[in-house]
Amino acid sequence: SQQGEEDPQALSIQEGENATMNCSYKTSINNLQWYRQNSGRGLVHLILIRSNEREKHSGRLRVTLDTSKKSSSLLITASRAADTASYFCATDRHDKVIFGPGTSLSVIP
Amino acid sequence: DADVTQTPRNRITKTGKRIMLECSQTKGHDRMYWYRQDPGLGLRLIYYSFDVKDINKGEISDGYSVSRQAQAKFSLSLESAIPNQTALYFCATSEPYRLGSGAHPVDTQYFGPGTRLTVL
Repeated sequence: SQQGEEDPQALSIQEGENATMNCSYKTSINNLQWYRQNSGRGLVHLILIRSNEREKHSGRLRVTLDTSKKSSSLLITASRAADTASYFCATDRHDKVIFGPGTSLSVIP
Repeated sequence: DADVTQTPRNRITKTGKRIMLECSQTKGHDRMYWYRQDPGLGLRLIYYSFDVKDINKGEISDGYSVSRQAQAKFSLSLESAIPNQTALYFCATSEPYRLGSGAHPVDTQYFGPGTRLTVL
């Protein structure tokens, strides 16, 4: 079974709105990463949060981590049409990185 | 130039054919991976290699084989392709690093552009 699972599976918002995606995982982790994938392309690393951190920021991205609930969220503020992509959380497990099924985000101009 | 390249980018083949997908990297990373992506299933790990002499099966290795010809090259073979191997295939590399002494290593992955494989 997958270590991380994103929610919702798909999200559609208007340009300028904020987008929030959630990731839940099952076992303890050391790090959690978020990746982005444009349609048909390879994944690109966005941001990392360590298990002893609660919040990280990078530009319009804000990631939170709640290890007690085994969950993380990715917030994209002031979304743009160019943010349309799939977003994946990835957790480390037994020397490997495990990816969730992803959230497909559509930002409507 | 891209750090991780894959060839071919697209391939259409017939059931029973042997197919090889190739991956090259210029990042100097020891670790390389092959994933397949199917709609709604995210990425599933096929094989991974932590160095030239180390090859490991992932969660869906049946029907696939790999070869790590050099640090920079990792190829994936489908010995006898079948239609349910139609998917998007990604190669990735990584080199774990520590953010501080005593910190657990971070393993950020760098992906190639993908190969779209269709098996008829």
